[in-house]
Amino acid sequence: SQKIEQNSEALNIQEGKTATLTCNYTNYSPAYLQWYRQDPGRGPVFLLLIRENEKEKRKERLKVTFDTTLKQSLFHITASQPADSATYLCALDGSLISGGYNKLIFGAGTRLAVHP
Amino acid sequence: GAVVSQHPSRVICKSGTSVKIECRSLDFQATTMFWYRQFPKQSLMLMATSNEGSKATYEQGVEKDKFLINHASLTLSTLTVTSAHPEDSSFYICSAQGGGGRSSSYNEQFFGPGTRLTVL
Repeated sequence: SQKIEQNSEALNIQEGKTATLTCNYTNYSPAYLQWYRQDPGRGPVFLLLIRENEKEKRKERLKVTFDTTLKQSLFHITASQPADSATYLCALDGSLISGGYNKLIFGAGTRLAVHP
Repeated sequence: GAVVSQHPSRVICKSGTSVKIECRSLDFQATTMFWYRQFPKQSLMLMATSNEGSKATYEQGVEKDKFLINHASLTLSTLTVTSAHPEDSSFYICSAQGGGGRSSSYNEQFFGPGTRLTVL
């Protein structure tokens, strides 16, 4: 079955540094991958989507890479700020296994803590 | 981005009662809505997918008679937890997906703020 792995341990970094989060997956070849931010007790908020034919996508201080050979996506936050502290979830396109319903398969998320 | 609301945000009920959770897309028409549940420090687990006007599609292991889903319009879906038990206590989140010019990315899902259900 499909498996998505994100670092379960929290990532602690100093303000101003670049945070890098990893998402690895197995037994699947998604057409796209998405990253979401989730704050405690809140629903996820969409950040970025990257397609299988794209190597890199940027949005302001965010950058996502997608290596379909390694089956890995990296999520970077440059010039990190304490306000970036949250849990970041990666989600794979699950439409090929869902009968076309465009569902997402989520990882468990990595908690990021940016310290002043 | 598009706005999705959920009501109530928090509910406490007695074991054996039923609880209804509403999910609304406020500024776009949602052709598809998804219902998830999330346990502490765990991933969102998809429970079911609903398309307006048709029966919901439930994920394996989710009891359709226990978790009733109705998607009566393009802006409203409801999840009813019937005969709730303490093990049903969880964080329930809906998401909506649709066109109408509100989706900025392919297959982007807009999530509601979630509903915390506690069954005593």
